[in-house]
Amino acid sequence: GIQVEQSPPDLILQEGANSTLRCNFSDSVNNLQWFHQNPWGQLINLFYIPSGTKQNGRLSATTVATERYSLLYISSSQTTDSGVYFCAVSGGYNTDKLIFGTGTRLQVFP
Amino acid sequence: DSGVTQTPKHLITATGQRVTLRCSPRSGDLSVYWYQQSLDQGLQFLIQYYNGEERAKGNILERFSAQQFPDLHSELNLSSLELGDSALYFCASSVGGLAGAKETQYFGPGTRLLVL
Repeated sequence: GIQVEQSPPDLILQEGANSTLRCNFSDSVNNLQWFHQNPWGQLINLFYIPSGTKQNGRLSATTVATERYSLLYISSSQTTDSGVYFCAVSGGYNTDKLIFGTGTRLQVFP
Repeated sequence: DSGVTQTPKHLITATGQRVTLRCSPRSGDLSVYWYQQSLDQGLQFLIQYYNGEERAKGNILERFSAQQFPDLHSELNLSSLELGDSALYFCASSVGGLAGAKETQYFGPGTRLLVL
């Protein structure tokens, strides 16, 4: 099955800093989603982005499907950005199940 | 708010017991998915239902079962519970359609299960 690797595993930032999170996947995908899991455990959809670039406020994401990677950019970090960021993919013609990476744990300090 | 609801939010029970987790998908969504998040296994797909029928199965134990009802809500039944079943269980939904279709899955807030 598809393998998903995320880097870095941990990231510590001061408020106001920018960061880039990476997701590599081992095969072509139909679906790629980025999630933020907040300290209360909720999984929040950030982007659905199997290819191309999207922006939402201080967050943006780019997926280069031909090279099998996706990047999540966080600009001007805030303490509320803390949590774990997951990349999840699904691939193949007959499957919808999402395969999750192990996540990047982000801590933003004031 | 994703529009997916899950009850209960928290559940504490003892080994050997049986519990039922409930999920209501977003209005209009036909596909429901169940995922388990545990400390040692990460986030893993368990099972998918589409319009009342099982569509895909992942690493779901035989002690676990699920179903989707005519009103499209779904239940995940966990029986003969063990300590290792303690986890966060998420339900997700999507519009549904052809398998492998490109569509977003929306996740509910999860049910946190603690088996003592």
